[in-house]
Amino acid sequence: GESVGLHLPTLSVQEGDNSIINCAYSNSASDYFIWYKQESGKGPQFIIDIRSNMDKRQGQRVTVLLNKTVKHLSLQIAATQPGDSAVYFCAENTGTASKLTFGTGTRLQVTL
Amino acid sequence: DAGVTQSPTHLIKTRGQQVTLRCSPKSGHDTVSWYQQALGQGPQFIFQYYEEEERQRGNFPDRFSGHQFPNYSSELNVNALLLGDSALYLCASSLGGRFEKLFFGSGTQLSVL
Repeated sequence: GESVGLHLPTLSVQEGDNSIINCAYSNSASDYFIWYKQESGKGPQFIIDIRSNMDKRQGQRVTVLLNKTVKHLSLQIAATQPGDSAVYFCAENTGTASKLTFGTGTRLQVTL
Repeated sequence: DAGVTQSPTHLIKTRGQQVTLRCSPKSGHDTVSWYQQALGQGPQFIFQYYEEEERQRGNFPDRFSGHQFPNYSSELNVNALLLGDSALYLCASSLGGRFEKLFFGSGTQLSVL
């Protein structure tokens, strides 16, 4: 799997701004993608998912965009709040129920 | 309604020892998956249990084994511990379908000295 050691990519945004977290996935056969949020000391928490027959899906304050041509996924968070501070992971599923391959996480820091 | 619960929360072992981690799935869920998360990395799939059988396995050696009980709870066993086994072990439960959401527990932090 991917490894970035102890130094995760970090995105710093001001409270109220929009955040965009990007993810490049590896397997062109993947057809289901999920974004997870992980706070310190907790397990990953589901945010939003998207299937490969879609290129955009919206939730509450979050939007996921999928570009299969370049194997790229993004998570947009509107009006970022301090509670959004966490590590965000994208995950892909290549066809077996519940076997997810997680990408490199991104740490989101929200400044006041 | 309790979510996914794992025990213990923290564990310290020495090299060569064996460890058993436990997981109770979210109420109504019949599928349990185990993931290993090293510090600063994303979780890596170990295996999945459904109907008391291992249904899928990731790239982990046979030292990692598991079990699922009739009440859907599960155990992860690791034999002959290595320093590199130090990690956060996450249990996730779901219904068995392909697009069912995984619900993760808070994990067991294992330190091997």
